[in-house]
Amino acid sequence: EAGVTQFPSHSVIEKGQTVTLRCDPISGHDNLYWYRRVMGKEIKFLLHFVKESKQDESGMPNNRFLAERTGGTYSTLKVQPAELEDSGVYFCASSQATGGGAFFGQGTRLTVV
Amino acid sequence: AQSVTQPDIHITVSEGASLELRCNYSYGATPYLFWYVQSPGQGLQLLLKYFSGDTLVQGIKGFEAEFKRSQSSFNLRKPSVHWSDAAEYFCAVGSHGNQFYFGTGTSLTVIP
Repeated sequence: EAGVTQFPSHSVIEKGQTVTLRCDPISGHDNLYWYRRVMGKEIKFLLHFVKESKQDESGMPNNRFLAERTGGTYSTLKVQPAELEDSGVYFCASSQATGGGAFFGQGTRLTVV
Repeated sequence: AQSVTQPDIHITVSEGASLELRCNYSYGATPYLFWYVQSPGQGLQLLLKYFSGDTLVQGIKGFEAEFKRSQSSFNLRKPSVHWSDAAEYFCAVGSHGNQFYFGTGTSLTVIP
């Protein structure tokens, strides 16, 4: 069974550009989470989808970040326009049952220069 | 407020030695507790989790963790470390249906 897959693995963009990160969860997992780790800091929650609905988006930093999960399958996280402080590793996770721990992808390392 | 503290940023141990990684949490409800490991170039892998019951939980790769409610701790242990255990370890707390709160991670170096 395939795990959680994230694309791209690395992205380097200039300040002001737009970047879209993609996450393919494990098939059948209704719950999908986005997290971010800024260098040297803790991994922080961004938002939680249940199927295609946003269950909790309290961790989204600002309105430059837009997450979607059309059809309740894969999800995208768009940053527009990107700022220097958006650099970090973005993790996606999915789970079948909430509260049971989640399966994480390998992360997308975003560098804004 | 919910939070997780991993007081050790970096630990170095000799191969074959025992290991204990510390984790303290602050959580308003009954916590679900997790340890994840991230090896270089890999995603976060779940080592073990605690929901209820026996406070000593066994995980993969020979790891175990003990939940101590009175100390708000969930320390990770391994009796004999292998070189392949070199990685970054994250403690996390959550509750049913919601987000996880992670610590800042502990980086483990294993020397021959």
